[in-house]
Amino acid sequence: QKEVEQDPGPLSVPEGAIVSLNCTYSNSAFQYFMWYRQYSRKGPELLMYTYSSGNKEDGRFTAQVDKSSKYISLFIRDSQPSDSATYLCAMSAVINSGGSNYKLTFGKGTLLTVNP
Amino acid sequence: DSGVTQTPKHLITATGQRVTLRCSPRSGDLSVYWYQQSLDQGLQFLIQYYNGEERAKGNILERFSAQQFPDLHSELNLSSLELGDSALYFCASSPGVVPYNEQFFGPGTRLTVL
Repeated sequence: QKEVEQDPGPLSVPEGAIVSLNCTYSNSAFQYFMWYRQYSRKGPELLMYTYSSGNKEDGRFTAQVDKSSKYISLFIRDSQPSDSATYLCAMSAVINSGGSNYKLTFGKGTLLTVNP
Repeated sequence: DSGVTQTPKHLITATGQRVTLRCSPRSGDLSVYWYQQSLDQGLQFLIQYYNGEERAKGNILERFSAQQFPDLHSELNLSSLELGDSALYFCASSPGVVPYNEQFFGPGTRLTVL
């Protein structure tokens, strides 16, 4: 079982729709949870990060973490054609006993297309 | 523009060859990370350097090596190249090493091994 699972899609929605993107994970050591957005032919850019279970909102974006179910989500409200991109979830875990090193593990990404 | 630069943008080479990818981090960032992105594996963490020293290793093959220089730029060396090494290679940088530091990604180097 992979540490992080993400449905690759593709996902196609009409403009204005609410989009739900999800990841599941198996490693209980993951502490920080992030969503990156990657436009075609570009590097990923950070959208949001969360630490604890619950919701975090930033404009049209809401990140949700459920540590008990090992499940994270990203909701996009009033989706726009400019939101068309690949969305990658990422999670970090400490990898040494001193707690000073960590590793970021990414999901494979979900390709989203928002149609005008 | 993230402020992270990578050269070259594209690289085409043959199996068995060796190539060097270069990365300049954002001004002031001390950490540099290398990632490999392929369709089947997604974005895979390779290695991290912090202020010139190796900090963490991921799924990096023994044929691959990296270093970070005193001016903080970094190079990823790929040798004895195989067809399966064809991928996008990203460099990212961050100010420090704490896990909530945002990593800023460069535009990537697309490597094609023929």
